[in-house]
Amino acid sequence: GENVEQHPSTLSVQEGDSAVIKCTYSDSASNYFPWYKQELGKGPQLIIDIRSNVGEKKDQRIAVTLNKTAKHFSLHITETQPEDSAVYFCAAPDSNYQLIWGAGTKLIIKP
Amino acid sequence: KAGVTQTPRYLIKTRGQQVTLSCSPISGHRSVSWYQQTPGQGLQFLFEYFSETQRNKGNFPGRFSGRQFSNSRSEMNVSTLELGDSALYLCASSLTGAPSETQYFGPGTRLLVL
Repeated sequence: GENVEQHPSTLSVQEGDSAVIKCTYSDSASNYFPWYKQELGKGPQLIIDIRSNVGEKKDQRIAVTLNKTAKHFSLHITETQPEDSAVYFCAAPDSNYQLIWGAGTKLIIKP
Repeated sequence: KAGVTQTPRYLIKTRGQQVTLSCSPISGHRSVSWYQQTPGQGLQFLFEYFSETQRNKGNFPGRFSGRQFSNSRSEMNVSTLELGDSALYLCASSLTGAPSETQYFGPGTRLLVL
């Protein structure tokens, strides 16, 4: 079955710098890769996703890249701001069409 | 459009008791999934319901059960509570439950078992 590994578990960056979170997946048939952001006291919320027919997708300061050969995808946040502090989760579908989630990355933005 | 609501938001129980949590999905959404979230364990999938039928189940003991009503509202039940059941329980709704659909999460129910 699908296995999703997410690194790092905690990431601390200076405000204004960039942050990169990486996930690897095992099932080569996976074709959809979302990223969710969970703020304190709230449920996760989709921030960006990518399908296997493209290599990169951008939305203002966030971007996701996909390397199907290496089976990994990454979340890039540029010009980080205090409101980017949260836990970020990646996911990929398994053969039962259920999303398998990464363990999460706690992003800390230092002022 | 109202978001996903979960009740209660907080709950304290003692070992051996049972608990029922409720989730109201976004109007028009027919799929409801439940997750357990504990520190360091990420999101652990419990089960998914669609049109009152359980379609998928995660790797949890039979003490964890759920159901879905005709209006798509869902409940999950945990019987014979154990200390390790202390967690944040999240539900998420989507239109049909396809993995490529956005899942909309509620704020969660925080359960503490003493």
